[in-house]
Amino acid sequence: GEDVEQSLFLSVREGDSSVINCTYTDSSSTYLYWYKQEPGAGLQLLTYIFSNMDMKQDQRLTVLLNKKDKHLSLRIADTQTGDSAIYFCAEMLYNQGGKLIFGQGTELSVKP
Amino acid sequence: GAGVSQSPSNKVTEKGKDVELRCDPISGHTALYWYRQSLGQGLEFLIYFQGNSAPDKSGLPSDRFSAERTGGSVSTLTIQRTQQEDSAVYLCASSPFMRESEQFFGPGTRLTVL
Repeated sequence: GEDVEQSLFLSVREGDSSVINCTYTDSSSTYLYWYKQEPGAGLQLLTYIFSNMDMKQDQRLTVLLNKKDKHLSLRIADTQTGDSAIYFCAEMLYNQGGKLIFGQGTELSVKP
Repeated sequence: GAGVSQSPSNKVTEKGKDVELRCDPISGHTALYWYRQSLGQGLEFLIYFQGNSAPDKSGLPSDRFSAERTGGSVSTLTIQRTQQEDSAVYLCASSPFMRESEQFFGPGTRLTVL
């Protein structure tokens, strides 16, 4: 079945790196995503990775994909208080027209 | 506007009433998606449109829920005879032709059923 799991909370100090982890069960994922949601706001697409890649870097964000273990991570370098938000991992399955399956979200708290 | 817009931003209704939620996708985007975010269920897929047709309605929770899209643009999600468990934030997303990998979300409509 389709299932995406994330830990619910992460707390870091400003300036440290944050690593948010996600596991998924369906091996037919085509793309894997990280979305950010700030309080009272919609979902902001942060980055995504095609399933045949193992790493993608975009400024302070690094996405690592271990397809064998079905494990996705998002590393935020030099975390700032403005990074405090809920981060959702999602997968898009092959041949299902763009339907996204989301994890429960990880609440990142950045302390000054 | 440049992004996906949704209206109303907040809707409070009484149990048993019908509600309509509207989504305006990014101009030129051919695919449109509805999701629901609730405390108990997290983020769930409801339905998606490619143009005006809906190839996948698998996520609609009951026959009280329906959606349509006209002119390949605006979509309306209708919930009939609302129940308290329908209370949630309803999110709409759109993506360009042949680029379903890039879904951009609107701010959502917060529905509260009393």
